[in-house]
Amino acid sequence: DAGVTQSPTHLIKTRGQHVTLRCSPISGHKSVSWYQQVLGQGPQFIFQYYEKEERGRGNFPDRFSARQFPNYSSELNVNALLLGDSALYLCASSLSAVQSLYEQYFGPGTRLTVT
Amino acid sequence: GNSVTQMEGPVTLSEEAFLTINCTYTATGYPSLFWYVQYPGEGLQLLLKATKADDKGSNKGFEATYRKETTSFHLEKGSVQVSDSAVYFCALILTGGGNKLTFGTGTQLKVEL
Repeated sequence: DAGVTQSPTHLIKTRGQHVTLRCSPISGHKSVSWYQQVLGQGPQFIFQYYEKEERGRGNFPDRFSARQFPNYSSELNVNALLLGDSALYLCASSLSAVQSLYEQYFGPGTRLTVT
Repeated sequence: GNSVTQMEGPVTLSEEAFLTINCTYTATGYPSLFWYVQYPGEGLQLLLKATKADDKGSNKGFEATYRKETTSFHLEKGSVQVSDSAVYFCALILTGGGNKLTFGTGTQLKVEL
């Protein structure tokens, strides 16, 4: 079975632009979470979606938004990009919304560079 | 708030050496604890987990014991291999905290022949 897939793999944007990152979860997984990993740091939680509803939000500005589609794929949108948004964006999928019961599987990430 | 503190790297070891990567945590509730590994160019993979005090998680020769009294979850392996070279992340989730993982900053391990 295919794992979690993310697109694009890399992209370069200019300050002030908008970006959309995409994630396809493992088949049958209904929960998708997004994390931001700045170089040299651990991943920081951005959002969790389960059954198309937002179930959690991290400490990120309103420039960050996300949604989940009926097929459980997800998009992360970032508006008005800043240099500090440069990072690896990770998507993780899980069968359910409760981590202690179900493992989260991470995709390879999208490397975003803002210039 | 919740946080995870890991020893800084890089940690450089010779093949077959003993590995310890320290991890301590602060949590407002009762967490489950995890070790994830990130190989170059890849996403995170769950290495092992423990969901209650005194539980020992183990996988691929790695072990970690959930110590509530010292709020620690140190990662150990008796004999490392070159293929273990990666970045290791300690993380926690609070019970009832959904899928929100709180990660440490990661520890890079380099194993040399």
